[in-house]
Amino acid sequence: DIQLTQSPSFLSASVGDRVTITCRASQGIKGFLAWYQQKPGKAPQLLIYAASTLQGGVPSRFSGSGSGTEFTLTISSVQPEDFATYYCQQLNTYPFTFGPGTKVDIK
Amino acid sequence: QVQLVESGGGVVQPGRSLRLSCAASRFTFSRYAMHWVRQAPAKGLEWVSVISNDGSNKDHADSVKGRFTISRDNSKNMLYLQMNNLRVEDTAVYYCARAACSAHSGCYFDQWGQGTLVTVSS
Repeated sequence: DIQLTQSPSFLSASVGDRVTITCRASQGIKGFLAWYQQKPGKAPQLLIYAASTLQGGVPSRFSGSGSGTEFTLTISSVQPEDFATYYCQQLNTYPFTFGPGTKVDIK
Repeated sequence: QVQLVESGGGVVQPGRSLRLSCAASRFTFSRYAMHWVRQAPAKGLEWVSVISNDGSNKDHADSVKGRFTISRDNSKNMLYLQMNNLRVEDTAVYYCARAACSAHSGCYFDQWGQGTLVTVSS
């Protein structure tokens, strides 16, 4: 199975900060990576797919990049509604594994 | 808009069975592969099962293989997860998710239900 790691696992940020989360895969997954945002008690919501394609309706302050084994999710200017947990997921090979998550909290 | 509504969760003793359902609406259900994803309390997301759009292909995570079976009824726009021989470690919120796929972008889970809680406890 392909393992995903995320760093950091937790970060504190102030409104307006630039935030970057990294996701690394144990083997190459081309560009088949998605990012999800999850708020407490809610289902995950798709932010980015195919490593860098913004899902419709997602604010443009979110962006993704990478291919192969290293990927990043960037929030250019974090807003109050962005405080949540973020997960990456590889969709190259079954099982479609998720990363362990990065919790973004208010500083 | 697209709607996925899970049901069937509850409290069950170890070794017993439970069947989850996911009712889909406002999209052409038979065109999409569907997945189950679970989340144990205060833990991350775990992919569980997939079924192709016509039901001919299925796969399950090793952690549930031989105990869980995914199925669908396209005439009723319903997705199911039959869970047998449940274990304490199966306790989780179970989500159904729609997979949007293309040759260029691969797949991604673009729609999720609200989840249904399964608690396995004696």
